Amino acid sequence: DGGITQSPKYLFRKEGQNVTLSCEQNLNHDAMYWYRQDPGQGLRLIYYSQIVNDFQKGDIAEGYSVSREKKESFPLTVTSAQKNPTAFYLCASLGRLIGNTIYFGEGSWLTVV
Amino acid sequence: AQSVTQLDSQVPVFEEAPVELRCNYSSSVSVYLFWYVQYPNQGLQLLLKYLSGSTLVKGINGFEAEFNKSQTSFHLRKPSVHISDTAEYFCAVSDLQGAQKLVFGQGTRLTINP
Repeated sequence: DGGITQSPKYLFRKEGQNVTLSCEQNLNHDAMYWYRQDPGQGLRLIYYSQIVNDFQKGDIAEGYSVSREKKESFPLTVTSAQKNPTAFYLCASLGRLIGNTIYFGEGSWLTVV
Repeated sequence: AQSVTQLDSQVPVFEEAPVELRCNYSSSVSVYLFWYVQYPNQGLQLLLKYLSGSTLVKGINGFEAEFNKSQTSFHLRKPSVHISDTAEYFCAVSDLQGAQKLVFGQGTRLTINP
């Protein structure tokens, strides 16, 4: 089935450690995004990528890094510089050929312990 | 830049009653408009979208929304809700060109009471 796969679903991290969240899509979409969601709040854009080997900062990029080496993959690294990393992280991709709709993965919960 | 305001953070309604979730947006350019639904611990699912054309848009699960350009609103409605509609609902806008980044409202928690 076509879709966006995020892993892991739940992740615990000790303070001072980096952690990488995986996002893979088999929809042949060019653009991919990472959003952060805090409880009771809307989603905020962290990074986005429109093509392979290119990505742009979103509204809250500090403390995060990404790469886009393959069209289908857009991993997000939460670094130790992110002061408040506990949140729900959502990966998304854009289907321009089907009404310019952004589709979301199931999300990853990151908890800093 | 765009912004989205969802006027109600929580909306409780009784089952089979009608509901309206309000959304206003601000933008200096034309935008696409979306409503997404989020069930607990899940990603977002598209309910409906407005790209152009008819201002009344029908989506999945019996929801519809009306685009009002003069009032910069995109309110979501359902004539009769079900227990299964209990979820968080997000209104979002994106620009028409370029990266089409979504800008979200804060969300409205819809609670259906029996």
